[in-house]
Amino acid sequence: GAGVSQTPSNKVTEKGKYVELRCDPISGHTALYWYRQSLGQGPEFLIYFQGTGAADDSGLPNDRFFAVRPEGSVSTLKIQRTERGDSAVYLCASSSLAGGSDTQYFGPGTRLTVL
Amino acid sequence: AQKITQTQPGMFVQEKEAVTLDCTYDTSDPSYGLFWYKQPSSGEMIFLIYQGSYDQQNATEGRYSLNFQKARKSANLVISASQLGDSAMYFCAMRVPYSGAGSYQLTFGKGTKLSVIP
Repeated sequence: GAGVSQTPSNKVTEKGKYVELRCDPISGHTALYWYRQSLGQGPEFLIYFQGTGAADDSGLPNDRFFAVRPEGSVSTLKIQRTERGDSAVYLCASSSLAGGSDTQYFGPGTRLTVL
Repeated sequence: AQKITQTQPGMFVQEKEAVTLDCTYDTSDPSYGLFWYKQPSSGEMIFLIYQGSYDQQNATEGRYSLNFQKARKSANLVISASQLGDSAMYFCAMRVPYSGAGSYQLTFGKGTKLSVIP
């Protein structure tokens, strides 16, 4: 079946603009995660959804970042008033169950560049 | 807080040889899961192998095996019979807790860049 998809694959924006990044998880996966990967680093956790609700948003760096998953499937990561430091690859992952040996499957990521 | 340490920024291996990528972890929770992911230049994170803290045997998946030494808090990835397509970044990650309440977020190391030489 289809894997996790993310759109757009690349996004270039200007400082101060608003951006939305979309994630379409594997069908039937109830858990969805957003990570951010800066150059030369491993991914860092941003937010986790179980169904429609954000079960853990402790990784969001500040209140400019917000994410939704209104119907328990597709999720959108929203960044307001973008800053150059927001430039990174934003990865989305999904899993069928949260816990145990449950594996997170990642999408190809969205490369965000803030000029 | 959980921490993953990968001390090898880069590794080289001859094609068809075996290679070990190091990973040490730090957690005070007795229940955790350890994962290895491969990230080719295309950017997608590909799951390779998983080891639970209570698993009695080391995990194996085809050419990948995990050398799990609980007392040393290490979870090294062994790739046997390296292929040119194995050239990529490799990330070790941990999830705490293993099960029950929690967000199940993964904590990643900084990665090791593996280059396979023909």
